[in-house]
Amino acid sequence: EVQLVESGGALVQTGGSLRLSCAASGFTFSSYDMHWVRQATGKGLEWVSAISAAGEPHYPGSVKGRFTVSREDAKNSFYLQMTGLRVGDTAVYYCARGAGYGVSRGLDVWGQGTAVTVSS
Amino acid sequence: EIVLTQTPGTLSLSPGERATLSCRASQSVSSNYLAWYQQKGGQAPRLLIYTASNRATGIPDRFTGRGSGTDFTLTISRLEPEDFAVYYCHQYGNSPWTFGQGTKVEMK
Repeated sequence: EVQLVESGGALVQTGGSLRLSCAASGFTFSSYDMHWVRQATGKGLEWVSAISAAGEPHYPGSVKGRFTVSREDAKNSFYLQMTGLRVGDTAVYYCARGAGYGVSRGLDVWGQGTAVTVSS
Repeated sequence: EIVLTQTPGTLSLSPGERATLSCRASQSVSSNYLAWYQQKGGQAPRLLIYTASNRATGIPDRFTGRGSGTDFTLTISRLEPEDFAVYYCHQYGNSPWTFGQGTKVEMK
């Protein structure tokens, strides 16, 4: 079964740091781009970062310079290191599978999400 | 950044009725890399449609995606009780990837 499982969400103070993890199973992880998407309570979806199969990171302006995405193919895992956290970063963070083998089909597999709360 | 605008914000319909959701992009979506997702309360989104018109694995044929360039639609031909949810469009052709703000399909 293709599956993604996030972990690492927690309550943290403004300015703090947190590392989220996403463990993949059931597919050839190293062949896929992987993404983080977040959703604040009652709000829509916001793309947070991506890392290509080749290890190239991508970020939107809202988190660039504060968040770092990385992957460890030997462990079928990828990560989101978040620093300088703000109240506005409070959300459920989902990991999701992107393009694989050069084929883009949107985000076709999602984890169940992990909650990050940033308190002032 | 491509801004996706979804209309209407809320659609109130009855089971068996047809739902038509719109997603308009502020500029052309590269390669029509436009996806639609369904999200129910407390759950992760589920991919319905990719590349504007291709159904994802296991998605019933009552879901149809159409469009190209800047204008896209998702049609649900006959609403089933399990279809009442929030629907998001998403463009993945240009970085930064972006989502629409969502359309809620609620039971009338």
